[in-house]
Amino acid sequence: GAGVSQSPSNKVTEKGKDVELRCDPISGHTALYWYRQSLGQGLEFLIYFQGNSAPDKSGLPSDRFSAERTGGSVSTLTIQRTQQEDSAVYLCASSTRQGVGDTQYFGPGTRLTVL
Amino acid sequence: AQSVSQHNHHVILSEAASLELGCNYSYGGTVNLFWYVQYPGQHLQLLLKYFSGDPLVKGIKGFEAEFIKSKFSFNLRKPSVQWSDTAEYFCAVNFAGKSTFGDGTTLTVKP
Repeated sequence: GAGVSQSPSNKVTEKGKDVELRCDPISGHTALYWYRQSLGQGLEFLIYFQGNSAPDKSGLPSDRFSAERTGGSVSTLTIQRTQQEDSAVYLCASSTRQGVGDTQYFGPGTRLTVL
Repeated sequence: AQSVSQHNHHVILSEAASLELGCNYSYGGTVNLFWYVQYPGQHLQLLLKYFSGDPLVKGIKGFEAEFIKSKFSFNLRKPSVQWSDTAEYFCAVNFAGKSTFGDGTTLTVKP
């Protein structure tokens, strides 16, 4: 079936504005992950969902970041009052289950640029 | 907290050269280990993974990795690289569902 999809693919916003990033996981995948990849750096874990619950929010960089998942499917990552340091590629991944290290399938990412 | 260290940020090789990319992790408990690859313009995708059993695991495109528990290492190897192996390679450790990635190694293979 279809892979993980993310929208938008690119987002340019002004400092101080709110943005919402969307992730559609592979159908049937119960686990969903958000990562951030800044230029020249590795993947920074942000949050994961098992179903609609987010047991571990420790990776969110600040209280400006929030995420939700509804219906065990689509997830949105919201960044309020964006700052220039938020500029990065935001990656979403899904897997069949969480906790046993199943393979994560990644989406193409959303490139966020904060001017 | 667990951490992953990839020793080489950028590796440049000629075709047919042998490859070894280092990966060390900090967590001492039971972990699952992965190598992911990102080819230019493509998504991150799984190269290989280790859960248990034989510490030498084989992945796609002739890659393999060896888990050495005593050294907390999971180095990636390929006997003879091709130009098409040019990509960025990420080592990852998963514990209790949370994945920690290394900073990545960019491999450039000269034709």
